Amino acid sequence: AQSVAQPEDQVNVAEGNPLTVKCTYSVSGNPYLFWYVQYPNRGLQFLLKYITGDNLVKGSYGFEAEFNKSQTSFHLKKPSALVSDSALYFCAVRAQRTDSWGKFQFGAGTQVVVTP
Amino acid sequence: GAVVSQHPSRVICKSGTSVKIECRSLDFQATTMFWYRQFPKQSLMLMATSNEGSKATYEQGVEKDKFLINHASLTLSTLTVTSAHPEDSSFYICSARPSGQGLSNQPQHFGDGTRLSIL
Repeated sequence: AQSVAQPEDQVNVAEGNPLTVKCTYSVSGNPYLFWYVQYPNRGLQFLLKYITGDNLVKGSYGFEAEFNKSQTSFHLKKPSALVSDSALYFCAVRAQRTDSWGKFQFGAGTQVVVTP
Repeated sequence: GAVVSQHPSRVICKSGTSVKIECRSLDFQATTMFWYRQFPKQSLMLMATSNEGSKATYEQGVEKDKFLINHASLTLSTLTVTSAHPEDSSFYICSARPSGQGLSNQPQHFGDGTRLSIL
């Protein structure tokens, strides 16, 4: 079984300040981890993924995420938030060894609100 | 690259109507597509996995006769909500994963969703 937890329903941050969105996961074996962003009435946009290699992964729009195996975490970060970063963020995981369809498990989502 | 087009973006119709939603991968082939349902301010709920040339795999609790899925080609999957009722009103999103590459580590690419409102 695989699961994802996003402990914060909402994160509020002032523009220009660092942004962190938390994600922890549980899978059997090694994970593939993903972050997506969703704007209102839109689908999900892919931000970044961790497959293997460096624990710090850089993605789109200045976002990065750090994989921490011992803490089973994959927190999303941005050094300086923009008002346009206000959106709903989803963490997703799948085990490397799983069914052939490649189903993801999504977290509950974290609403990010960046104030001017 | 990796664009997924979902149509229509919004549907408003009367109770009892059947509604078809299309999901197309525009610049890649997708052996597997996924259909999700999303309630306001909630996460995505996987409804079914659509496989080209074979029957869809439905998640537990999803009525296969209510939500008909057809994946007739490597670039098109359709979801038909049959005899829709107000409780079927929701945001439906499809995704596709490129085929021909390693299955495990590729991200899913999402359509922009369909807002279905049943009166």
